[in-house]
Amino acid sequence: QSVLTQPPSVSGAPGQRVTISCTGSSSNIGARFDVHWYRQLPGVAPKVLIYGNNNRPSGVPDRFSASKSGTSASLAITGLQAEDEADYYCQSYDSSLTAWVFGGGTKLTVL
Amino acid sequence: QVQLQQSGPGLVKPSQTLSLTCAISGDSVSRNSAAWNWIRQSPSRGLEWLGRTEYRSKWSNDYAMSVKSRITINRDTSKNQFSLQLNSVTPEDTAVYYCVRGLYSSSYYYFDFWGQGTPVTVSS
Repeated sequence: QSVLTQPPSVSGAPGQRVTISCTGSSSNIGARFDVHWYRQLPGVAPKVLIYGNNNRPSGVPDRFSASKSGTSASLAITGLQAEDEADYYCQSYDSSLTAWVFGGGTKLTVL
Repeated sequence: QVQLQQSGPGLVKPSQTLSLTCAISGDSVSRNSAAWNWIRQSPSRGLEWLGRTEYRSKWSNDYAMSVKSRITINRDTSKNQFSLQLNSVTPEDTAVYYCVRGLYSSSYYYFDFWGQGTPVTVSS
């Protein structure tokens, strides 16, 4: 059971908008620790997609955005493309565990 | 461009020690705006941060409580690398292990460069 909760899967048609939620608690997201998002393709390491709640590394298109409110965060992808199919993970810090923690991951399928 | 090259055995016997090394190129293990982490991934436990080593005026290590009694992370500044030792392993330690750079950027700390991953199986 991951400390941060994500839906196991989401799907959308090309061109649509999808969101992926990440629910935490008062010891992580609710304690105002930053949330970061990673994308992982099969067989390779995760790669940072969004850092510091809503900052994109160079090369990440502005179709990807994120937000945070209370004990939750979410990742939004607009103009869905086939290449967006991947697993997406949220990550934050937990002060009770004194550890960096991840969500269980969400598999995005482009229909 | 930062590159992290992992090495180490992919099979470890139960009760023995898992040892992995991560060689850094394009950065320095002694850099004071980064920390050097080990993270593992398994179907049962997902992505799990294990620990890190960093130099910020002095060297320090942080470990996850779940492995604190069994883990050691060392660094070798002469070889610009860091290593993971996990003692008394069980089949539950079977996972893909990643070495990862944690970057301090503005007020953020996030994992920006990952090694290629080493699948480790604990089995007799």
